[in-house]
Amino acid sequence: AQKVTQAQTEISVVEKEDVTLDCVYETRDTTYYLFWYKQPPSGELVFLIRRNSFDEQNEISGRYSWNFQKSTSSFNFTITASQVVDSAVYFCALSGGDKIIFGKGTRLHILP
Amino acid sequence: SQTIHQWPATLVQPVGSPLSLECTVEGTSNPNLYWYRQAAGRGLQLLFYSVGIGQISSEVPQNLSASRPQDRQFILSSKKLLLSDSGFYLCACLPQQYTQYFGPGTRLTVL
Repeated sequence: AQKVTQAQTEISVVEKEDVTLDCVYETRDTTYYLFWYKQPPSGELVFLIRRNSFDEQNEISGRYSWNFQKSTSSFNFTITASQVVDSAVYFCALSGGDKIIFGKGTRLHILP
Repeated sequence: SQTIHQWPATLVQPVGSPLSLECTVEGTSNPNLYWYRQAAGRGLQLLFYSVGIGQISSEVPQNLSASRPQDRQFILSSKKLLLSDSGFYLCACLPQQYTQYFGPGTRLTVL
């Protein structure tokens, strides 16, 4: 069965600190996709990144970076020099056939 | 790129009343469409998904139903709302590029 685990329910850090959100997944598929979404207080889910299971290269986009490690089935998300606008719920997700399986989310509070 | 519209944005309904939420998609054809519900402070629960017109898969038994009368239209309905139906309803689209995009959501309060 496919599963996504985000063990961190809630995290609080002070602005400008770095923070890493953990994501561990389970799947028997050899080809799959992993995703991160951001849900700000407005509620709409914003797509951040998609990673193909064959591409283990880490990715950096501005202050955001993602570390994909197949050996540990993890796809962690790091925000460098966090800002108050980063406060949101972050979801990790895994493709499974016609469906996307979501983790329960991590609520991130960036304190000024 | 695709755009997902949902309406209404907010809705307050009495228990036992009917429900109809609509989702329409622009900018893609033959997408997979999804309805999710998110209770306050909780994760996303997949309710229904559709891989084509008239094709509906239900994930959770409940008093809700879904229909897809057109390729880019997905409707969530109920004949009689329950208090437990309150939540934030999100429509999502999975076009060919394997990335799921979400609409702005409908916040439903059942009183």
